[in-house]
Amino acid sequence: GIQVEQSPPDLILQEGANSTLRCNFSDSVNNLQWFHQNPWGQLINLFYIPSGTKQNGRLSATTVATERYSLLYISSSQTTDSGVYFCAVVLLNSGNTPLVFGKGTRLSVIA
Amino acid sequence: EAGVTQFPSHSVIEKGQTVTLRCDPISGHDNLYWYRRVMGKEIKFLLHFVKESKQDESGMPNNRFLAERTGGTYSTLKVQPAELEDSGVYFCASSRTGVGNTIYFGEGSWLTVV
Repeated sequence: GIQVEQSPPDLILQEGANSTLRCNFSDSVNNLQWFHQNPWGQLINLFYIPSGTKQNGRLSATTVATERYSLLYISSSQTTDSGVYFCAVVLLNSGNTPLVFGKGTRLSVIA
Repeated sequence: EAGVTQFPSHSVIEKGQTVTLRCDPISGHDNLYWYRRVMGKEIKFLLHFVKESKQDESGMPNNRFLAERTGGTYSTLKVQPAELEDSGVYFCASSRTGVGNTIYFGEGSWLTVV
């Protein structure tokens, strides 16, 4: 099956710093989503981005489908950004098969 | 439009007891998925419904887990009897039929087995 690798596995930032999280995937996809699991366990959808670039406030994401990677940018990080960030994909031409998740990047933002 | 809703948000039960988690997908979404994240590990797929039919249940860990989606609307996931290793967050998600649709997740049901 498709492999999804995220890096780095752990990241500690000072409040106000910027960061880039990476997601590599092993095959072509027709769905790629970024999620944030907050410290209370809730999974928040950040972006649906199988290709191109999107921005939402301090967050933005870019997927280069031809090179099989996606980047999530967090600017001016805040303590509330802490948690685990997951990338998940659906294999191209696989219909409505489930999302396959990476292992996540655990982000800790310290004041 | 209401999002995917899950109930309960938190549940603490003793080993050997039964727990039933409920998921209400977004109206009109034929696809419904269950996932879980246990012990801080990755998020793993459990099963996929298309309307009331089980499309893929390859991720169900064992026969202590039973999922239903009667009438193709809401779904329940029952764990009976619960074991300590079942502790974690159980997520439900839904999507429309078709290629490249966003899959929307509920906020999860946090299960603690003691």
